[in-house]
Amino acid sequence: AQKITQTQPGMFVQEKEAVTLDCTYDTSDQSYGLFWYKQPSSGEMIFLIYQGSYDEQNATEGRYSLNFQKARKSANLVISASQLGDSAMYFCAMREATGGFKTIFGAGTRLFVKA
Amino acid sequence: GVTQSPTHLIKTRGQQVTLRCSSQSGHNTVSWYQQALGQGPQFIFQYYREEENGRGNFPPRFSGLQFPNDSSELNVNALELDDSALYLCASSLAGGRGLGETQYFGPGTRLLVL
Repeated sequence: AQKITQTQPGMFVQEKEAVTLDCTYDTSDQSYGLFWYKQPSSGEMIFLIYQGSYDEQNATEGRYSLNFQKARKSANLVISASQLGDSAMYFCAMREATGGFKTIFGAGTRLFVKA
Repeated sequence: GVTQSPTHLIKTRGQQVTLRCSSQSGHNTVSWYQQALGQGPQFIFQYYREEENGRGNFPPRFSGLQFPNDSSELNVNALELDDSALYLCASSLAGGRGLGETQYFGPGTRLLVL
C-alpha cells in the first residue's frame, strides 16, 4: 500500500506568489515524522522542513511552512513568495516509529515558477 | 558535504558495479536509496558504525560496506536493466534512531544498465 501520496505531478506558480504542494500519508503508528525535500536537476535531495506527529504547532522554516492536519493525514507544504530558484521536484516523506530506519518517499511534485 | 562517485556510469546486464559515497565528517550513519526515473527514492539499506542495521525490499545482490573513514560503498551484482536509476547516499548522525533525524544527501550516481 502506498503510504505517501502526492497527487500533483506538476504545478505552476507565478513568481512572488504562494503555492501549496499536497501530501497525504497513511500510517497506523502514533509516532511518526514527516519531511519535505527539494530536488533540483542536479540530483541531490535538500531537506526543507520537518513535522513530528506530536508537534502541536505547524512547522515553519523561512518561506516554507507545513500545514499539518493530523486527522486528515495530510502534510501540505506551503511556499510563500515563490522564487525562480524554487523550480524543482518536491518530495514528501515519512518515517514511522515502527518502520525501522527507512524513510518512505512520495512520487514527487514538479514545481515550475514563472517569471 | 556528502559526495558520491562516479557521477555517471554505464554497465551491461550481468556485470557488477561499486558506487562510492563520502559522508559528512563525523556522521556515523549512511543510507542508500534507489531513485528510478520519475519516482521517489526507495530505501535500500542503512549502515550504522559499519554494520547494516536496516534494509528495504531489495535482493541480496545489493550489498554495502561502511568504513571508519566516513566512506561507504554500494555494490550491485548481476546487474539487471531495472537497476538503471539514480543512486543516492545520505549521511546522518544518530543511527536513524530519531524520527526527525536530518539526512544529508549527496548528488547521486546515475547508473545506466544496457
